[in-house]
Amino acid sequence: NAGVTQTPKFRVLKTGQSMTLLCAQDMNHEYMYWYRQDPGMGLRLIHYSVGEGTTAKGEVPDGYNVSRLKKQNFLLGLESAAPSQTSVYFCASTRDRGGNQPQHFGDGTRLSIL
Amino acid sequence: GQQLNQSPQSMFIQEGEDVSMNCTSSSIFNTWLWYKQDPGEGPVLLIALYKAGELTSNGRLTAQFGITRKDSFLNISASIPSDVGIYFCAGRGWQGGSEKLVFGKGTKLTVNP
Repeated sequence: NAGVTQTPKFRVLKTGQSMTLLCAQDMNHEYMYWYRQDPGMGLRLIHYSVGEGTTAKGEVPDGYNVSRLKKQNFLLGLESAAPSQTSVYFCASTRDRGGNQPQHFGDGTRLSIL
Repeated sequence: GQQLNQSPQSMFIQEGEDVSMNCTSSSIFNTWLWYKQDPGEGPVLLIALYKAGELTSNGRLTAQFGITRKDSFLNISASIPSDVGIYFCAGRGWQGGSEKLVFGKGTKLTVNP
């Protein structure tokens, strides 16, 4: 059981380039999330999805887009990468919306924008 | 928006010592979660608390959901070198008509053998 898998694990981009981060979960979870983690900032929610075909903005959505075409996958896109988007990105999932559902995290994608 | 104040930011302790860290907020939360993050990995859930006043243990770890629902603490007894990592609290509560999960900024723990 792989849980939550993120690809790629590392990536270096030039300013202005675009890329997509993939998150896949094999737990049949309804809810999926994308966070960014910066030094001294904890985890901040970028976008989330409450089910296949749905997406919603989180705390820091600007500069990112997401898609949830399949229940098991949640994609995070950077259309025009900026140095301020250098960060570690974490994907997470929960079974459903219930307040008692803890989140399962992937191992992160380390993204550097030059 | 909701903010979590996690303290201390970092701790340097000797193996065998007990550790205590806490999170406080001006907002009420319905659930408190404690995660540990090892270098190069994602956060892993340690303990989940669902009721005010709840005290839950997981091995050498003990966490409590504050009576006021605005705070939580995590204790680690008899620390060992593998306890090294960053510990995050997270609170789930209502904000702006929707339920949100807010993370603290983390406590970095170093254990000297």
